[in-house]
Amino acid sequence: EIVMTQSPATLSVSPGERVTLSCRASQSVSSNLAWYQQKPGQAPRLLISGASTRATGIAARFSGSGSGTEFTLTISSLQSEDFAVYYCQQYHNWPPLTFGGGTKVEIK
Amino acid sequence: QVQLQESGPGLVKPSQTLSLTCTVSGDSITSGGYYWSWIRQHPGKGLEWIGNIYYTGSTYYSPSLKSRLTMSVDTSENQFSLKLASVTAADTAVYYCARVGIAVRHFDYWGQGTLVTVSS
Repeated sequence: EIVMTQSPATLSVSPGERVTLSCRASQSVSSNLAWYQQKPGQAPRLLISGASTRATGIAARFSGSGSGTEFTLTISSLQSEDFAVYYCQQYHNWPPLTFGGGTKVEIK
Repeated sequence: QVQLQESGPGLVKPSQTLSLTCTVSGDSITSGGYYWSWIRQHPGKGLEWIGNIYYTGSTYYSPSLKSRLTMSVDTSENQFSLKLASVTAADTAVYYCARVGIAVRHFDYWGQGTLVTVSS
């Protein structure tokens, strides 16, 4: 099973700041990585697939990078609606499909 | 627009079987190209993949749940279902159904989720 580790667990930021979230895989997942955003009481929403391709309707301030075992989700200028929990997910080797533990982006 | 909606009891007694159904609209389960999936989220915790099913009935289960898990599909109703046997309090979670690509296995559409509590 590929273990996904996200850091930090919590990030306190101010609106307008640039945010960088990290995701590490226990073995290479190539570019087979997705990022999701989850707000309280809602289902996760797909942001990024293929490590760097934004999903339909996702704002350009969200960008993904990386390959192999190290990945980054960047929010270029944090908006109020971006305060949420972010998860990465690998789909390189399965079953199982595995998620990271999440990073909570909260207001500073 | 693809929509998924979970349904089933919100309360299940320990040792019984948890049963949920996901109704899909805006897409046909038999259209191909996608698996249909269950994911759960324990209260205040992260996401856990449960399993995938293809419209032919082929299934892929989480190794940790495989011994208790049965997934099925009803193409006439455009639904798929989950049965988890011998539940305990550790199975209390929000259960989501979702669509996942066969070629690119990320989850692009999700249901709103349903909380299932295991308690006597």
